Amino acid sequence: SQKIEQNSEALNIQEGKTATLTCNYTNYSPAYLQWYRQDPGRGPVFLLLIRENEKEKRKERLKVTFDTTLKQSLFHITASQPADSATYLCARDTGRRALTFGSGTRLQVQP
Amino acid sequence: NAGVTQTPKFQVLKTGQSMTLQCAQDMNHEYMSWYRQDPGMGLRLIHYSVGAGITDQGEVPNGYNVSRSTTEDFPLRLLSAAPSQTSVYFCASTEDNRGVDTQYFGPGTRLTVL
Repeated sequence: SQKIEQNSEALNIQEGKTATLTCNYTNYSPAYLQWYRQDPGRGPVFLLLIRENEKEKRKERLKVTFDTTLKQSLFHITASQPADSATYLCARDTGRRALTFGSGTRLQVQP
Repeated sequence: NAGVTQTPKFQVLKTGQSMTLQCAQDMNHEYMSWYRQDPGMGLRLIHYSVGAGITDQGEVPNGYNVSRSTTEDFPLRLLSAAPSQTSVYFCASTEDNRGVDTQYFGPGTRLTVL
């Protein structure tokens, strides 16, 4: 089965710093990886996707990388703010019309 | 657009009771899914549907039934609730964008089985 692992359960950083979250996958390379944000008591919200043939994608303060050699995606939030505090989920395609999600990394940005 | 709606928001059941979690979307998406989310385990796929009349099992289907009679609705039925089904349930509607499935989630149903 295709697994997704987000190694850090929690990450605490100071406001203004760059947060870096890690997502590792097993078995065959996914066609794409996605990142979602989840706030307490709410459903996940799509943020960014990166395809297998892309090395890097950016959206405002967000940056995602995809390294098929390391089987890893990194998710960066630059100039982090307390409002960025949330749980971030990594997801991959499964070959069916649904996704496999990692267990998430809870980010806390301290003012 | 309301997006994906789920009812109820909260539910408490006794062991052995049955109930249906409702899910509806107004985005005309063909694909819909049900996930459960438990602490430390992330989102796990229960069932999914690729169109009206077509459903398939996900990772953890036991104890749950689904049907898809319309594009808009995708209810999840618990046949005989067990404490192990205590969880937060999310319904998702999937947008197909050039072969990439982006999911839109509902607000969730928090279910407790006593």
